[in-house]
Amino acid sequence: KQEVTQIPAALSVPEGENLVLNCSFTDSAIYNLQWFRQDPGKGLTSLLLIQSSQREQTSGRLNASLDKSSGRSTLYIAASQPGDSATYLCAVSKNNNDMRFGAGTRLTVKP
Amino acid sequence: SQTIHQWPATLVQPVGSPLSLECTVEGTSNPNLYWYRQAAGRGLQLLFYSVGIGQISSEVPQNLSASRPQDRQFILSSKKLLLSDSGFYLCAWSVQGAGGYTFGSGTRLTVV
Repeated sequence: KQEVTQIPAALSVPEGENLVLNCSFTDSAIYNLQWFRQDPGKGLTSLLLIQSSQREQTSGRLNASLDKSSGRSTLYIAASQPGDSATYLCAVSKNNNDMRFGAGTRLTVKP
Repeated sequence: SQTIHQWPATLVQPVGSPLSLECTVEGTSNPNLYWYRQAAGRGLQLLFYSVGIGQISSEVPQNLSASRPQDRQFILSSKKLLLSDSGFYLCAWSVQGAGGYTFGSGTRLTVV
């Protein structure tokens, strides 16, 4: 059974800092990996989707990498802003019908 | 463009009462549909998924059931709610054969 772990569970940084969120998964035979953002009491917003054949994806200040062989992904956020404060969730799918989620990293960016 | 609708946004129900949560998708055909639950302070748990009308797969035994009466409609139900059914319920869809999930805005269910 796929297990997804996210480290750290919580992170607090001053505005402007670059930061890295980590995600690891136990079964490297994945179909894709997706990073989401969740604001308190809200649904999930997709940030980046990496197919199994890809190594990274970028969107604005966000960059996600995938090392399938080692079962790891990182989400890099450049020049963090208070509006980036949210919980970030990593999820992996083996066959696109069974996306499994980590418990998330709660990010706080202080002004 | 594709959109996903989920309602109601919040719901307070007494123990033993029935439940019906609805999710609909617009702008796509034959989507994969999913129900997830997020308990307080915990990660998302996949409850059900569907690859077509009338086709439902259940991930965990529980007090809930799901149905897909139309291509773009997915319903989560219970005949008698338990306190442990409280949580944040999220519907999602994906394109068959392609990656990436899109989530609805969720329903906060409190069973009292």
